[in-house]
Amino acid sequence: KQEVTQIPAALSVPEGENLVLNCSFTDSAIYNLQWFRQDPGKGLTSLLLIQSSQREQTSGRLNASLDKSSGRSTLYIAASQPGDSATYLCAVRGTQGGSEKLVFGKGTKLTVNP
Amino acid sequence: EAQVTQNPRYLITVTGKKLTVTCSQNMNHEYMSWYRQDPGLGLRQIYYSMNVEVTDKGDVPEGYKVSRKEKRNFPLILESPSPNQTSLYFCASGPGGGGTDTQYFGPGTRLTVL
Repeated sequence: KQEVTQIPAALSVPEGENLVLNCSFTDSAIYNLQWFRQDPGKGLTSLLLIQSSQREQTSGRLNASLDKSSGRSTLYIAASQPGDSATYLCAVRGTQGGSEKLVFGKGTKLTVNP
Repeated sequence: EAQVTQNPRYLITVTGKKLTVTCSQNMNHEYMSWYRQDPGLGLRQIYYSMNVEVTDKGDVPEGYKVSRKEKRNFPLILESPSPNQTSLYFCASGPGGGGTDTQYFGPGTRLTVL
């Protein structure tokens, strides 16, 4: 059974810092890995999706990497801003037949202090 | 605009009073799913549907029913809600077919069962 772990559970940084969020998964048989952002009480916003054949994806100040063989992904946020404060969720989509379920980590709550 | 809509967004009800949370998508997606999100437990899948008239249980289906009579709609039914079903619920949809595309999430429904 796929398990996804995110470390740390919470992170507080001063504005302007570069930071890395970590995600690990136990089963490397995945279609893709996706990073989401969730603001308090709100829905999920997809940030980046990395296909299993890819090593990284970039969008603006965000860069996500994937090492499928070791079961790890990182989300790098450059020059953090207070508006980046949110919970970041990592989700993997397995290749098991019949289900396209996303298996989520519990998230990292990021606070960027002005 | 491509989107997943859920209604209601907020609901307070009492134990045992049947309720339905609607979910609709306008992207002609085959796959739809329901998740619940609880503090410390993350997002867990309740039910999913690969296509019209095809539904299957996720990780936490007890106490819930779903139906998929039309491609665009996937309502979540709580026949006799209990306080342990107090949660934040998300509907999601995706192209299905074993592809590698992203999934789209609705804005969430916050349910409180008294």
